Amino acid sequence: SQQGEEDPQALSIQEGENATMNCSYKTSINNLQWYRQNSGRGLVHLILIRSNEREKHSGRLRVTLDTSKKSSSLLITASRAADTASYFCATDAFGGGNKLTFGTGTQLKVEL
Amino acid sequence: DGGITQSPKYLFRKEGQNVTLSCEQNLNHDAMYWYRQDPGQGLRLIYYSQIVNDFQKGDIAEGYSVSREKKESFPLTVTSAQKNPTAFYLCASSSGQGGYGYTFGSGTRLTVV
Repeated sequence: SQQGEEDPQALSIQEGENATMNCSYKTSINNLQWYRQNSGRGLVHLILIRSNEREKHSGRLRVTLDTSKKSSSLLITASRAADTASYFCATDAFGGGNKLTFGTGTQLKVEL
Repeated sequence: DGGITQSPKYLFRKEGQNVTLSCEQNLNHDAMYWYRQDPGQGLRLIYYSQIVNDFQKGDIAEGYSVSREKKESFPLTVTSAQKNPTAFYLCASSSGQGGYGYTFGSGTRLTVV
C-alpha cells in the first residue's frame, strides 16, 4: 500500500525559482520524511519532521507538516539544475514499527 | 566509509530461475529493508528485518524470500513464483530506532529475459 500521494506528479521550473511539492497521507504518523532520487539511483534522505513539529528547515529546504490535514509540503528555494530529481515523502506510521511507506513521488525538472 | 552496498547493479534472469540480490551494510544498523520500485512509481515494501534472525513480510512479499543470519547482510531471493520480477530493487538500513532516516543502497535492476 502507498500511504502518501504527492502533488504535482511532475514540476518544471527555471533555475532560481522556488519549487513546492505536497504530500498527503492517510493514517496517524510518528514522523514524515522526504527523500530525493536521481534517475536510476538510490534514495537520499533529506529531512525528517516529527508529528509534534510544524516546520523545519535545512539549508534551502523547508518542510511543513499539518497533522490535522494529514499533509506536508517541501519547499526548495532558489532551485538549481542539480536539484533535478524525483522527490518522495515517506511516513512512519504510528504503531507501524519504524517501517516507512512511500508516496508516488514528484519529478522535478529545473531548467537553465 | 560507512555505507550500504547492493550487488550486482544489473541482473538478468531467465523464466523459472531463482536469483539472489545482495545487500551489505557496515553502518552497524539493526534494521534492514527491501523495496521494489516500478517505472514512475513509488517504493513498495517487500520484506524487513529489525534484528538478526528475524524478519517480517511487507506489502508485496509473495514470490520473494529473505534471510538475516548476520547483522551486516540481508539478501533477497526472487523466486520463480514471482510472476513479474522485472523492477528496480532497493535495499535500505536504519538504526531501527524511531526518528531516524534510512540509508539506501544504489539499487539492483532486475530484468527477466
